[in-house]
Amino acid sequence: DTGVSQDPRHKITKRGQNVTFRCDPISEHNRLYWYRQTLGQGPEFLTYFQNEAQLEKSRLLSDRFSAERPKGSFSTLEIQRTEQGDSAMYLCASSFNQGSSEQYFGPGTRLTVT
Amino acid sequence: GENVEQHPSTLSVQEGDSAVIKCTYSDSASNYFPWYKQELGKRPQLIIDIRSNVGEKKDQRIAVTLNKTAKHFSLHITETQPEDSAVYFCAARDSGGGADGLTFGKGTHLIIQP
Repeated sequence: DTGVSQDPRHKITKRGQNVTFRCDPISEHNRLYWYRQTLGQGPEFLTYFQNEAQLEKSRLLSDRFSAERPKGSFSTLEIQRTEQGDSAMYLCASSFNQGSSEQYFGPGTRLTVT
Repeated sequence: GENVEQHPSTLSVQEGDSAVIKCTYSDSASNYFPWYKQELGKRPQLIIDIRSNVGEKKDQRIAVTLNKTAKHFSLHITETQPEDSAVYFCAARDSGGGADGLTFGKGTHLIIQP
């Protein structure tokens, strides 16, 4: 499969626990994005990387959230001390290194915080 | 930051009729406007996009129009088919200002009645 992949696809955790999600972009894509989508809403931008550099972070990305892309390939998104409000679908997307290049989305990780 | 408004939230049309979904944006610096289709439980997929240097773009039954002066853009689907039923999201991005994340509308649930 040459598309964007995400792991795990579903995660159920208890409030206060830490969780980590992984995204593997399309191999030749330099840019990698994280979005969050709640039911009935459009995706909301969280952060993006160009190669290993994190270039932009949304105000939605509180200090409990951290993202990395250490070698410019896969990325991880960690949420510390999860809250019920963190329950959402976390989507990863990747694109070529051009401002108006199409972003290809992964299948998402659905997080449920109980 | 950018704000994207999308209308209507739900649109029901008879099979074979046309559907129009409208979006407005707030940031005059935005210059890239994609449309994504998301079927239930699946990832968003790009169906068409337009850049600010053109006013209209067509791809078979789908067309997008852009009015930069009024800061609005629309998706037109002609000869609708049952497989067009999905949630459609518009988005906007300023591709030249370093803010690379897409800002999405809240989505339109398109229902094609047989």
